[in-house]
Amino acid sequence: KAGVTQTPRYLIKTRGQQVTLSCSPISGHRSVSWYQQTPGQGLQFLFEYFSETQRNKGNFPGRFSGRQFSNSRSEMNVSTLELGDSALYLCASSLAEGRITGELFFGEGSRLTVL
Amino acid sequence: KQEVTQIPAALSVPEGENLVLNCSFTDSAIYNLQWFRQDPGKGLTSLLLIQSSQREQTSGRLNASLDKSSGRSTLYIAASQPGDSATYLCAVSQLNTDKLIFGTGTRLQVFP
Repeated sequence: KAGVTQTPRYLIKTRGQQVTLSCSPISGHRSVSWYQQTPGQGLQFLFEYFSETQRNKGNFPGRFSGRQFSNSRSEMNVSTLELGDSALYLCASSLAEGRITGELFFGEGSRLTVL
Repeated sequence: KQEVTQIPAALSVPEGENLVLNCSFTDSAIYNLQWFRQDPGKGLTSLLLIQSSQREQTSGRLNASLDKSSGRSTLYIAASQPGDSATYLCAVSQLNTDKLIFGTGTRLQVFP
């Protein structure tokens, strides 16, 4: 059974650009959540999607957005990149139906560097 | 506001030792608590999931306990091995907000 797949694994952007990251969940999982990991702030919740609807959102500015497609694949977008957006972006999928009560399975992450 | 703290922040032990990692949370209104390990530059691997109604879970050499009323969880690793070297993170799934709040992590090094 394939795990959670994130692409691209590494990318370098410059300030002001925008970036789109992709996440394919484990087959059958309908919940996809996104996290930002930095040395200073640790792991922080960005948002969670279930059946193409954003169910929950963390405390990030509107430059961070996401969406989920009918096949449960998800994308997140960051516009007008800032140096502080450099981080490892992790995606996780879960089988849970109603809430984030199920076991989370993480991808390897997308490491974004903003120059 | 839920705060999750892990102590110690770093730990270095010789191979074969039994060890305990601690996780504390300030708000007991949780759905579950999950322990993960993370290798450098990698994603997170789920180790154990404890529902709020459970007291402990075991998987191989790992045992995790949960005392919801006191806001504490421990991860016990028996007979540690160099391959156990990684950062260990706990995370609580918060009631009402449905958000997952991660702890600060414990960096473990097991030397031969």
